[in-house]
Amino acid sequence: SQKIEQNSEALNIQEGKTATLTCNYTNYSPAYLQWYRQDPGRGPVFLLLIRENEKEKRKERLKVTFDTTLKQSLFHITASQPADSATYLCAPDLYSGNTPLVFGKGTRLSVIA
Amino acid sequence: NAGVTQTPKFQVLKTGQSMTLQCAQDMNHNSMYWYRQDPGMGLRLIYYSASEGTTDKGEVPNGYNVSRLNKREFSLRLESAAPSQTSVYFCASSASGTPSNQPQHFGDGTRLSIL
Repeated sequence: SQKIEQNSEALNIQEGKTATLTCNYTNYSPAYLQWYRQDPGRGPVFLLLIRENEKEKRKERLKVTFDTTLKQSLFHITASQPADSATYLCAPDLYSGNTPLVFGKGTRLSVIA
Repeated sequence: NAGVTQTPKFQVLKTGQSMTLQCAQDMNHNSMYWYRQDPGMGLRLIYYSASEGTTDKGEVPNGYNVSRLNKREFSLRLESAAPSQTSVYFCASSASGTPSNQPQHFGDGTRLSIL
């Protein structure tokens, strides 16, 4: 979606490093933002939801930040593993309220052993 | 617990043929969605149903129709298939309440080729 920019189509990192994926949105003020993981040939799987007043949320090795001033969310995977290789999609609540999510095009992460 | 089940998984059609893609969820979710995913375009919403008995257009509804058969089932119909509708189609569902603050649960997709 042109309303949402995810930093790059592909990101390669070494195993054990921290992967940082970026999601930028313009001209909107979402109250929520979700992150999903998609493996080849499978449907997206929900990972995390962050609210506009939460700033940061963690789940195991995952961390999401939400900067409403910069209109940006960062998704971090610490101590990355080859099993983390997948496409990651962000989905901000662009229109607020009772409307569906809009998904970014995704960033394909490859963790190299 | 099956979650969201889509049938068929693969289908090849000829231009002009019609087809219905089936989707069923067993999570007692109120909201259901149909997306298409194309290389370089990401996930795009075709239609959604916020609750049983209601349907609304998404970003790319042209050439498609939907039916919310009951709370569990949401079907997508291509009346006259076109090569531009070659894509991977995903169905998803989410719990009641404001859809945007509810996680969506996806099926594994239907890969549709139109010749």
